[in-house]
Amino acid sequence: DGGITQSPKYLFRKEGQNVTLSCEQNLNHDAMYWYRQDPGQGLRLIYYSQIVNDFQKGDIAEGYSVSREKKESFPLTVTSAQKNPTAFYLCASRISGGRTDTQYFGPGTRLTVL
Amino acid sequence: AQSVTQLDSHVSVSEGTPVLLRCNYSSSYSPSLFWYVQHPNKGLQLLLKYTSAATLVKGINGFEAEFKKSETSFHLTKPSAHMSDAAEYFCVVSFVTGGTSYGKLTFGQGTILTVHP
Repeated sequence: DGGITQSPKYLFRKEGQNVTLSCEQNLNHDAMYWYRQDPGQGLRLIYYSQIVNDFQKGDIAEGYSVSREKKESFPLTVTSAQKNPTAFYLCASRISGGRTDTQYFGPGTRLTVL
Repeated sequence: AQSVTQLDSHVSVSEGTPVLLRCNYSSSYSPSLFWYVQHPNKGLQLLLKYTSAATLVKGINGFEAEFKKSETSFHLTKPSAHMSDAAEYFCVVSFVTGGTSYGKLTFGQGTILTVHP
């Protein structure tokens, strides 16, 4: 059964702590994305990766970091430098290249900072 | 710069009546346009997409959208609402330049659809 998995579904963090959100896909997609969703603001791009060992900042990368060591995995670390990390985080993937620009989304992780 | 505007933050309909969710975009290039649906605390599911083929696009669950270049619009419609359609809907635009898309999407603010019995 192909798809994108994100874990955990809910995550609680104390202020000042780093936390890593997992995103795994078995769709054999080249490109992967991380978005942040806040009420009434749509989705905003944090980081994206077109191929393994390469990634670029999106519109709101400050306070976040990523790695792309494997094609299937694109973990996101929310660092203590992120001033307002409470949000719903969505991971997505797509086949890279050409005009195929449809992105497929995971179920999301809700992060709450206590 | 590309942008997307969803003209209504909330739409309320009765079950069995038509649904209209409005979306306008601005672009200097040929866009790909999408509608996604999100149920509470869930990921986004693709409803339909337009990629410069037929201007009337049919999607899943009876939804369709019409691309009107002269009006820069891509409104989402459904003839008869069902209770299960209650969710948040996002209009999304992606731009392909030079024949290649690097996949950067721009999202509208979302429209919450409420369906009354």
